[in-house]
Amino acid sequence: DQQVKQNSPSLSVQEGRISILNCDYTNSMFDYFLWYKKYPAEGPTFLISISSIKDKNEDGRFTVFLNKSAKHLSLHIVPSQPGDSAVYFCAASSAETTGNQFYFGTGTSLTVIP
Amino acid sequence: DSGVTQTPKHLITATGQRVTLRCSPRSGDLSVYWYQQSLDQGLQFLIQYYNGEERAKGNILERFSAQQFPDLHSELNLSSLELGDSALYFCASSGSGGLSGYRTDTQYFGPGTRLTVL
Repeated sequence: DQQVKQNSPSLSVQEGRISILNCDYTNSMFDYFLWYKKYPAEGPTFLISISSIKDKNEDGRFTVFLNKSAKHLSLHIVPSQPGDSAVYFCAASSAETTGNQFYFGTGTSLTVIP
Repeated sequence: DSGVTQTPKHLITATGQRVTLRCSPRSGDLSVYWYQQSLDQGLQFLIQYYNGEERAKGNILERFSAQQFPDLHSELNLSSLELGDSALYFCASSGSGGLSGYRTDTQYFGPGTRLTVL
């Protein structure tokens, strides 16, 4: 039962343009959301997060938007750079859990074309 | 470099065998998490330990077990291996684990162990 879904397995964008990666979730108890970036042969690295009390969080070229009513979040990268080419995972944390586990989507592979 | 180390990087074994994956968390981190990533799947949470105690359990099979030692390193034991257990296994660690903001501690991931069961 995939509670976090990334329906686009891949995305290609020209350098300098905006990359928009999307993520949907089903569990209304999710209240903290993250994006991780993964390069080949490396573990995922934390990119940006957002709490459910906000609808936007910005960090440099990266902005995450949260639409709670639609159970949807998106990651915007502006401007996109070739070094951003990686797999991006959306993740969520639930207020129901006793631990700190994250629920991950299946990832979107972003290719930024020079 | 996240500061989380995992050994071995690659492991090839046969069905029915048992293997042990090892993880050393970042210095000072008390929580260790294990995740499994199968082909075309997201990372699936297996289990979390905090300061030596099991904190949370996910979709971990009964054939799998884990522990966290007094020096805070962790081992994931996989037994009676099946072809479907072939996957990337990631370990992550997070910081203080204090009550305040505990659930939102950033998790730092190791490079993973690729397990191939033949």
